[in-house]
Amino acid sequence: AQSVTQLGSHVSVSEGALVLLRCNYSSSVPPYLFWYVQYPNQGHQLLLKYTTGATLVKGINGFEAEFKKSETSFHLTKPSAHMSDAAEYFCAVSGGGYQKVTFGTGTKLQVIP
Amino acid sequence: GAGVSQSPRYKVAKRGQDVALRCDPISGHVSLFWYQQALGQGPEFLTYFQNEAQLDKSGLPSDRFFAERPEGSVSTLKIQRTQQEDSAVYLCASSLSKASAPTDTQYFGPGTRLTVL
Repeated sequence: AQSVTQLGSHVSVSEGALVLLRCNYSSSVPPYLFWYVQYPNQGHQLLLKYTTGATLVKGINGFEAEFKKSETSFHLTKPSAHMSDAAEYFCAVSGGGYQKVTFGTGTKLQVIP
Repeated sequence: GAGVSQSPRYKVAKRGQDVALRCDPISGHVSLFWYQQALGQGPEFLTYFQNEAQLDKSGLPSDRFFAERPEGSVSTLKIQRTQQEDSAVYLCASSLSKASAPTDTQYFGPGTRLTVL
């Protein structure tokens, strides 16, 4: 069984500040981990994913995430927030050789000018 | 088409009505997934198709929910005798490979927001 916990349903940052969205996972098999972003009235879009290999994963729009097995975490970061980053972000996990994905409950990011 | 499309985007149904939600995946994509996203929650898996075969329907909440993909492209999710608890956004996603390629990217449609009165 797999699960994902996202800490904080709402996060506010100032424009130019560090973005940190937290995700912890539980998986009985080696996990594949994903971050998706959903802009208003749009479909979920893949930001980045971890499969195997390098634990620091870079994605689109300047986002990156680090897989930390010892902490069962996959936190999403961006050094400097832009107004256009305001959206809802979902952490997700799959594993066991199958694409069935389990999502977290999402974190809404607000960027304050 | 450029992406996954879904129709209608919004659907209001009276309790007890049947509804049909359509998904047009990216052309050539083998895998198709349906998810249900309730308010304030993340998407939850409903069912999976590999081409026309429905290989996993473990997430369908009741026998009122039925999905098909008869020609291996367009898919329809049907909900019979809708209930208020069925109100949610229904998402469709497709990917190029079989679901046994777990790292393949799923491309999501914008969803259909179903409101049952």
